[in-house]
Amino acid sequence: DAKTTQPPSMDCAEGRAANLPCNHSTISGNEYVYWYRQIHSQGPQYIIHGLKNNETNEMASLIITEDRKSSTLILPHATLRDTAVYYCGRRIIQGAQKLVFGQGTRLTINP
Amino acid sequence: DAGVTQSPTHLIKTRGQQVTLRCSPKSGHDTVSWYQQALGQGPQFIFQYYEEEERQRGNFPDRFSGHQFPNYSSELNVNALLLGDSALYLCASSLRGWNTEAFFGQGTRLTVV
Repeated sequence: DAKTTQPPSMDCAEGRAANLPCNHSTISGNEYVYWYRQIHSQGPQYIIHGLKNNETNEMASLIITEDRKSSTLILPHATLRDTAVYYCGRRIIQGAQKLVFGQGTRLTINP
Repeated sequence: DAGVTQSPTHLIKTRGQQVTLRCSPKSGHDTVSWYQQALGQGPQFIFQYYEEEERQRGNFPDRFSGHQFPNYSSELNVNALLLGDSALYLCASSLRGWNTEAFFGQGTRLTVV
């Protein structure tokens, strides 16, 4: 989706925080920001989602800028098992609520 | 509690053939969406089923059709297969609502030769 852009790849050292950016400058007011990750072409795994407030769960934190044009997914203490492709997407609240994904960021955690 | 299950996991078909992929949603979920993921790309929305009806469709031709059964399981049918239909087909289930998580199955890898 051309409206959601992510860097194609990133590296992070094991044990450090991984910060993955996503630009969604044309996001609408009724669209949530969703993050998924995919390992070895398995099905995408849900990580976190949010509308305008910062969110945190057991996997990650999501920081959404006040204007909602960008967000950052934070993996606080990256492990080797966090190596995956991370997808940022938009999901419309009403209607079919389809997910619209960007091209994804390939995150490599290095020992 | 079983998550989203898809079958088969892998499939090889010849051009021009027809294929049916199956999906059982996560327990308690009533909505099923199908996505196509080409190699190196993000998943692309095909369509969504709720209450046994197609609710919204992405930019896919009529060769792609689906069905939802009373138990919420779903099928994706693709007719007149093309080489370009080779992809990972993903099923996602969710509970109808405005702030719900969508869970994906492991996908069906379709190869058209």
